[in-house]
Amino acid sequence: GESVGLHLPTLSVQEGDNSIINCAYSNSASDYFIWYKQESGKGPQFIIDIRSNMDKRQGQRVTVLLNKTVKHLSLQIAATQPGDSAVYFCAEDGGSQGNLIFGKGTKLSVKP
Amino acid sequence: DSGVTQTPKHLITATGQRVTLRCSPRSGDLSVYWYQQSLDQGLQFLIQYYNGEERAKGNILERFSAQQFPDLHSELNLSSLELGDSALYFCASSVELGGFQETQYFGPGTRLLVL
Repeated sequence: GESVGLHLPTLSVQEGDNSIINCAYSNSASDYFIWYKQESGKGPQFIIDIRSNMDKRQGQRVTVLLNKTVKHLSLQIAATQPGDSAVYFCAEDGGSQGNLIFGKGTKLSVKP
Repeated sequence: DSGVTQTPKHLITATGQRVTLRCSPRSGDLSVYWYQQSLDQGLQFLIQYYNGEERAKGNILERFSAQQFPDLHSELNLSSLELGDSALYFCASSVELGGFQETQYFGPGTRLLVL
């Protein structure tokens, strides 16, 4: 996994705008990916997942896009709200071990 | 609420001590995972148990151990604690059907502070 470090990448958006959070994953053999949202003082909360046989999956206000060619994952949040402010992590499956490998988090800040 | 519970929520202890963190998975979930989240290392996988048996090990120190009991709850034991062990410890659970990766649901975490 990658280290988050003390300084997370930050995305600042205006309330009502769409947000796009990007993630590069490491293992081309990974076949399962998840986005988690983590609010301050809480555990990671499942948002949406996608398997490698898909390139797009939509949920409620969220869409995940998977580009296996360049090992890139993105999370799109429509009509971003103040309650969306959090750190967002992408994760890929660790292969046969079953654990998740977390990428660097991105801090989303929504301005009212 | 993910359905995964962890106790205690906060723990303050001294170097050299031993603590036990407890996790109850979601009803029906057979797999339990432990992760450590520190400021400089992000979320790191420690260990996984499936139906009482150790399934996978990650970056877990020899001073740390875990087990999963017949009722599927799990405990993470941290001994000879050092200042650097201060972190958030999360438990996650999943159903694990047919060997395919399934969504892991995380508990609220235990915040450990070693003084």
